[in-house]
Amino acid sequence: QVQLVESGGGVVQPGRSLRLSCAASGFTFSGSGMHWVRQAPGKGLEWVAVISKDRSNKYYADAVKGRFTISRDNSKNTLFLQMNSLRAEDTALYFCSTADTGSLRYWGQGTLVTVTS
Amino acid sequence: QSALTQPASVSGSLGQSITISCTGSSGDVGGYNYVAWYQQHPGKAPKLMIYEVSNRPSGVSNRFSGSKSGNTASLTISGLQAEDEADYYCGSYTTSGSWMFGGGTKVTVL
Repeated sequence: QVQLVESGGGVVQPGRSLRLSCAASGFTFSGSGMHWVRQAPGKGLEWVAVISKDRSNKYYADAVKGRFTISRDNSKNTLFLQMNSLRAEDTALYFCSTADTGSLRYWGQGTLVTVTS
Repeated sequence: QSALTQPASVSGSLGQSITISCTGSSGDVGGYNYVAWYQQHPGKAPKLMIYEVSNRPSGVSNRFSGSKSGNTASLTISGLQAEDEADYYCGSYTTSGSWMFGGGTKVTVL
Protein backbone atom coordinates (compact mmCIF):
# COMPACT_ATOMS: atom_id res chain seq x y z
CA GLN A 1 0.00 0.00 0.00
CA VAL A 2 1.04 3.59 -0.48
CA GLN A 3 3.13 4.93 2.35
CA LEU A 4 4.46 8.46 2.79
CA VAL A 5 6.63 9.21 5.80
CA GLU A 6 7.73 12.76 6.50
CA SER A 7 10.72 13.62 8.65
CA GLY A 8 13.07 16.48 9.42
CA GLY A 9 10.76 18.69 11.43
CA GLY A 10 11.78 20.29 14.69
CA VAL A 11 12.22 23.53 16.59
CA VAL A 12 14.23 26.22 14.82
CA GLN A 13 14.93 29.90 15.35
CA PRO A 14 13.59 32.56 13.00
CA GLY A 15 15.87 33.13 10.03
CA ARG A 16 17.33 29.64 10.16
CA SER A 17 16.87 26.75 7.72
CA LEU A 18 15.38 23.28 7.81
CA ARG A 19 15.11 20.47 5.28
CA LEU A 20 12.12 18.17 5.28
CA SER A 21 12.06 14.73 3.67
CA CYS A 22 9.24 12.49 2.57
CA ALA A 23 10.05 8.82 2.00
CA ALA A 24 7.65 7.17 -0.42
CA SER A 25 6.83 3.52 -0.98
CA GLY A 26 4.09 1.31 -2.38
CA PHE A 27 3.76 3.10 -5.73
CA THR A 28 5.89 4.23 -8.65
CA PHE A 29 7.36 7.38 -7.16
CA SER A 30 9.03 8.47 -10.39
CA GLY A 31 5.64 8.43 -12.11
CA SER A 32 3.89 10.82 -9.74
CA GLY A 33 3.99 14.53 -9.09
CA MET A 34 4.25 15.42 -5.41
CA HIS A 35 2.95 18.19 -3.16
CA TRP A 36 3.81 19.75 0.17
CA VAL A 37 0.91 21.08 2.22
CA ARG A 38 1.04 22.61 5.68
CA GLN A 39 -1.39 23.17 8.52
CA ALA A 40 -0.71 25.69 11.26
CA PRO A 41 -1.92 24.66 14.73
CA GLY A 42 -5.70 24.89 14.84
CA LYS A 43 -5.88 26.24 11.30
CA GLY A 44 -6.82 24.99 7.85
CA LEU A 45 -4.80 23.40 5.08
CA GLU A 46 -2.42 25.60 3.12
CA TRP A 47 -0.89 24.38 -0.13
CA VAL A 48 2.88 24.99 -0.23
CA ALA A 49 4.47 23.58 -3.39
CA VAL A 50 4.26 20.98 -6.13
CA ILE A 51 6.88 19.27 -8.28
CA SER A 52 6.29 17.27 -11.44
CA LYS A 53 7.38 13.67 -11.71
CA ASP A 54 10.46 14.53 -13.75
CA ARG A 55 11.32 17.69 -11.77
CA SER A 56 10.75 19.87 -14.84
CA ASN A 57 7.99 21.93 -13.26
CA LYS A 58 7.79 23.43 -9.78
CA TYR A 59 5.21 25.82 -8.38
CA TYR A 60 5.04 27.58 -5.04
CA ALA A 61 2.57 29.44 -2.90
CA ASP A 62 3.26 33.16 -2.73
CA ALA A 63 3.87 32.87 1.03
CA VAL A 64 6.96 30.69 0.51
CA LYS A 65 8.20 31.72 -2.92
CA GLY A 66 11.89 32.61 -2.85
CA ARG A 67 12.41 30.98 0.54
CA PHE A 68 11.37 27.35 0.04
CA THR A 69 12.60 24.91 -2.60
CA ILE A 70 10.91 21.65 -3.49
CA SER A 71 13.02 18.85 -4.96
CA ARG A 72 13.05 15.09 -5.34
CA ASP A 73 15.37 12.16 -5.78
CA ASN A 74 13.60 9.52 -7.86
CA SER A 75 16.45 7.06 -7.32
CA LYS A 76 15.73 7.18 -3.58
CA ASN A 77 11.95 7.62 -3.75
CA THR A 78 12.27 10.74 -1.65
CA LEU A 79 10.74 14.20 -1.78
CA PHE A 80 12.35 17.20 -0.11
CA LEU A 81 11.44 20.69 1.03
CA GLN A 82 14.32 23.04 1.75
CA MET A 83 13.05 25.85 3.95
CA ASN A 84 15.21 28.94 4.36
CA SER A 85 14.68 32.25 6.18
CA LEU A 86 12.06 30.65 8.38
CA ARG A 87 9.47 32.82 10.07
CA ALA A 88 7.14 32.30 13.00
CA GLU A 89 4.24 32.02 10.55
CA ASP A 90 5.88 28.97 8.97
CA THR A 91 5.11 27.02 12.14
CA ALA A 92 2.92 24.14 11.03
CA LEU A 93 2.51 20.44 10.45
CA TYR A 94 3.94 19.73 7.01
CA PHE A 95 2.37 16.96 4.91
CA CYS A 96 3.59 15.45 1.66
CA SER A 97 1.04 14.15 -0.78
CA THR A 98 0.84 12.47 -4.18
CA ALA A 99 -0.44 14.46 -7.15
CA ASP A 100 -3.08 12.39 -8.89
CA THR A 101 -5.99 13.07 -11.25
CA GLY A 102 -6.48 16.67 -10.25
CA SER A 103 -6.25 16.02 -6.56
CA LEU A 104 -3.92 15.20 -3.70
CA ARG A 105 -4.53 11.49 -3.43
CA TYR A 106 -2.40 9.99 -0.68
CA TRP A 107 -1.09 11.84 2.37
CA GLY A 108 1.57 11.24 4.96
CA GLN A 109 1.06 11.85 8.68
CA GLY A 110 3.10 15.03 8.69
CA THR A 111 6.16 16.43 10.42
CA LEU A 112 5.93 19.38 12.79
CA VAL A 113 8.00 22.50 12.26
CA THR A 114 8.09 25.08 15.04
CA VAL A 115 9.79 28.41 14.43
CA THR A 116 10.44 30.24 17.66
CA SER A 117 13.14 32.29 19.32
CA GLN B 1 -3.67 33.61 -3.54
CA SER B 2 -6.78 33.90 -1.36
CA ALA B 3 -8.37 30.76 -0.02
CA LEU B 4 -11.53 29.38 -1.54
CA THR B 5 -14.62 30.34 0.46
CA GLN B 6 -16.36 27.71 2.57
CA PRO B 7 -18.86 28.08 5.41
CA ALA B 8 -17.13 27.75 8.76
CA SER B 9 -19.60 25.19 10.01
CA VAL B 10 -22.50 23.04 8.91
CA SER B 11 -24.59 20.76 11.07
CA GLY B 12 -27.22 18.13 10.51
CA SER B 13 -29.02 15.34 12.31
CA LEU B 14 -28.28 11.67 11.91
CA GLY B 15 -29.68 10.45 8.62
CA GLN B 16 -30.14 13.90 7.15
CA SER B 17 -28.32 15.39 4.18
CA ILE B 18 -26.04 18.40 4.25
CA THR B 19 -24.27 20.38 1.55
CA ILE B 20 -21.02 22.30 1.85
CA SER B 21 -20.25 25.00 -0.69
CA CYS B 22 -16.87 26.10 -2.00
CA THR B 23 -16.71 29.35 -3.93
CA GLY B 24 -13.78 30.45 -6.00
CA SER B 25 -13.31 32.23 -9.29
CA SER B 26 -12.94 31.57 -12.99
CA GLY B 27 -9.22 31.16 -12.34
CA ASP B 28 -9.69 28.12 -10.17
CA VAL B 29 -12.99 26.36 -9.37
CA GLY B 30 -14.82 27.79 -12.37
CA GLY B 31 -12.04 27.25 -14.85
CA TYR B 32 -11.12 23.64 -14.24
CA ASN B 33 -12.68 20.36 -13.25
CA TYR B 34 -9.81 19.74 -10.86
CA VAL B 35 -11.86 20.31 -7.73
CA ALA B 36 -11.49 17.88 -4.87
CA TRP B 37 -12.82 17.42 -1.35
CA TYR B 38 -10.91 16.21 1.70
CA GLN B 39 -12.06 14.94 5.07
CA GLN B 40 -9.92 15.43 8.14
CA HIS B 41 -10.60 14.01 11.56
CA PRO B 42 -8.81 15.60 14.54
CA GLY B 43 -5.16 14.62 14.70
CA LYS B 44 -5.33 12.74 11.41
CA ALA B 45 -4.08 13.35 7.90
CA PRO B 46 -6.59 14.57 5.31
CA LYS B 47 -8.35 11.92 3.23
CA LEU B 48 -9.46 12.39 -0.36
CA MET B 49 -13.24 12.01 -0.65
CA ILE B 50 -14.04 13.45 -4.09
CA TYR B 51 -11.80 14.24 -7.06
CA GLU B 52 -12.42 15.94 -10.40
CA VAL B 53 -15.59 17.55 -9.06
CA SER B 54 -17.71 14.42 -8.69
CA ASN B 55 -15.65 11.25 -8.69
CA ARG B 56 -15.24 9.06 -5.63
CA PRO B 57 -12.02 7.13 -4.97
CA SER B 58 -12.54 3.46 -4.32
CA GLY B 59 -13.51 2.82 -0.73
CA VAL B 60 -15.31 6.11 -0.22
CA SER B 61 -18.98 5.76 0.63
CA ASN B 62 -21.50 6.66 -2.06
CA ARG B 63 -23.16 8.88 0.54
CA PHE B 64 -20.58 11.47 -0.52
CA SER B 65 -21.19 13.28 -3.78
CA GLY B 66 -19.80 16.35 -5.49
CA SER B 67 -20.98 18.84 -8.07
CA LYS B 68 -20.09 22.20 -9.54
CA SER B 69 -21.94 25.15 -10.99
CA GLY B 70 -19.98 28.11 -12.28
CA ASN B 71 -17.44 29.17 -9.69
CA THR B 72 -19.00 27.18 -6.86
CA ALA B 73 -18.43 23.53 -6.06
CA SER B 74 -20.48 21.56 -3.56
CA LEU B 75 -20.08 18.47 -1.43
CA THR B 76 -23.21 16.67 -0.31
CA ILE B 77 -23.23 14.10 2.46
CA SER B 78 -26.45 12.12 2.54
CA GLY B 79 -27.61 9.82 5.32
CA LEU B 80 -25.38 11.65 7.79
CA GLN B 81 -23.59 9.35 10.21
CA ALA B 82 -21.67 10.00 13.41
CA GLU B 83 -18.35 9.19 11.77
CA ASP B 84 -18.92 11.95 9.22
CA GLU B 85 -18.25 14.52 11.91
CA ALA B 86 -14.97 16.08 10.77
CA ASP B 87 -13.46 19.03 8.98
CA TYR B 88 -13.93 19.19 5.23
CA TYR B 89 -11.77 21.10 2.78
CA CYS B 90 -12.24 21.80 -0.87
CA GLY B 91 -9.23 22.19 -3.11
CA SER B 92 -8.69 23.36 -6.66
CA TYR B 93 -6.05 23.71 -9.31
CA THR B 94 -5.49 27.31 -10.38
CA THR B 95 -4.52 29.18 -13.53
CA SER B 96 -1.04 29.92 -12.22
CA GLY B 97 -0.22 26.23 -11.90
CA SER B 98 -0.60 26.36 -8.15
CA TRP B 99 -3.25 24.77 -5.95
CA MET B 100 -5.55 26.24 -3.38
CA PHE B 101 -7.67 25.05 -0.47
CA GLY B 102 -10.79 26.39 1.10
CA GLY B 103 -10.77 27.58 4.70
CA GLY B 104 -12.46 24.40 5.86
CA THR B 105 -15.92 23.52 7.15
CA LYS B 106 -16.55 21.84 10.47
CA VAL B 107 -19.38 19.33 10.14
CA THR B 108 -21.27 18.56 13.31
CA VAL B 109 -23.67 15.63 13.57
CA LEU B 110 -26.48 16.44 15.95
